[in-house]
Amino acid sequence: GAVVSQHPSRVICKSGTSVKIECRSLDFQATTMFWYRQFPKKSLMLMATSNEGSKATYEQGVEKDKFLINHASLTLSTLTVTSAHPEDSSFYICSARQGIGGELFFGEGSRLTVL
Amino acid sequence: QKEVEQDPGPLSVPEGAIVSLNCTYSNSAFQYFMWYRQYSRKGPELLMYTYSSGNKEDGRFTAQVDKSSKYISLFIRDSQPSDSATYLCAMAETSGSRLTFGEGTQLTVNP
Repeated sequence: GAVVSQHPSRVICKSGTSVKIECRSLDFQATTMFWYRQFPKKSLMLMATSNEGSKATYEQGVEKDKFLINHASLTLSTLTVTSAHPEDSSFYICSARQGIGGELFFGEGSRLTVL
Repeated sequence: QKEVEQDPGPLSVPEGAIVSLNCTYSNSAFQYFMWYRQYSRKGPELLMYTYSSGNKEDGRFTAQVDKSSKYISLFIRDSQPSDSATYLCAMAETSGSRLTFGEGTQLTVNP
């Protein structure tokens, strides 16, 4: 089946640094990718929708300049957390859709800890 | 009021029990209903996908949708310890639109 890979799975960084998380669709082309944030024992909160070759659409309350999303190719989207702070510590999950209306596949998630 | 309500549990059952997980929703435009299973520190994986009302069965899993009551259920028969996970319901208005997730129910099946 289709696989979505996230890297890194776990990252620890100092406050003030920037962190990049990659999301790749390994055996299909993903026209749309989604980025979620999940706090412990909480649901997935959609942060932004990313379409290949265009700017991401951010959900209300999500800072565009803080969470930079790039979807440069049909198999890769990146999330960069800029000037990270401890409150940005969370589990970030991407998902990718195979074609319009296709099944949504999730990555394994990336746990970010900001010290 | 949240668009999707799901009891977070935790729910603990003995092996072999029938498990019932439920979600209610307020958006009558939702037409696509999904159940995801998420193991600790992993991404969600799709279990069941249903369009509109009705039942769908896949092995030990049965999904039910009652649009008139805005209520969906997931039943797990003959539950196994390997079913221990968090189960998230999710809904969408169209097949290509964003998903709205419930909070997830944490299930533990005890051997």
